[in-house]
Amino acid sequence: GGIITQTPKFLIGQEGQKLTLKCQQNFNHDTMYWYRQDSGKGLRLIYYSITENDLQKGDLSEGYDASREKKSSFSLTVTSAQKNEMAVFLCASSKTNTGQLYFGEGSKLTVL
Amino acid sequence: QQNVQQSPESLIVPEGARTSLNCTFSDSASQYFWWYRQHSGKAPKALMSIFSNGEKEEGRFTIHLNKASLHFSLHIRDSQPSDSALYLCAVTITGNTRKLIFGLGTTLQVQP
Repeated sequence: GGIITQTPKFLIGQEGQKLTLKCQQNFNHDTMYWYRQDSGKGLRLIYYSITENDLQKGDLSEGYDASREKKSSFSLTVTSAQKNEMAVFLCASSKTNTGQLYFGEGSKLTVL
Repeated sequence: QQNVQQSPESLIVPEGARTSLNCTFSDSASQYFWWYRQHSGKAPKALMSIFSNGEKEEGRFTIHLNKASLHFSLHIRDSQPSDSALYLCAVTITGNTRKLIFGLGTTLQVQP
């Protein structure tokens, strides 16, 4: 088995601030993902990475940067936090290309 | 561009009922179809998948897929209070099966 660890679990920032979320996985999976979940609803893809140093944009990438410096870690930066992007950010990883993802518990972002 | 829609948005059923959740998608060439389940405050977890037209049963859960109708569904037999959760359908992108697109979810509440 393995685990996905997201830090911090709760992140509070000021409007306009640059904020970074981190994700570590010990599954040794190639592909990692960042999704955003608003108000307990569906997941929207922000970025994904199929290998170290690779980055692919999702449908919601504007306003975010990502970095995959190691196979086991994937970070997401909110470049200028806005109140309308308060949400839970979910990191996931996958070994196969058939859609089976393993998710972390999420990081909840609050913007003051 | 893959468009995934779910219905109903929410559902309340009595314990023991048969529950049906629906998902439509826009690309008939899609390959992999998933249902994920997310209990409140927890990480989404892959529940079941189907890769070809037809039906697949696992315990109390059954998936139906009809690619021509752009529709797949999840049926829960003998619904239990522990089944209460957010159910998310997801479909991979044609030509890039590492990219998984989710619907907005159906919130199921099973009343004892």
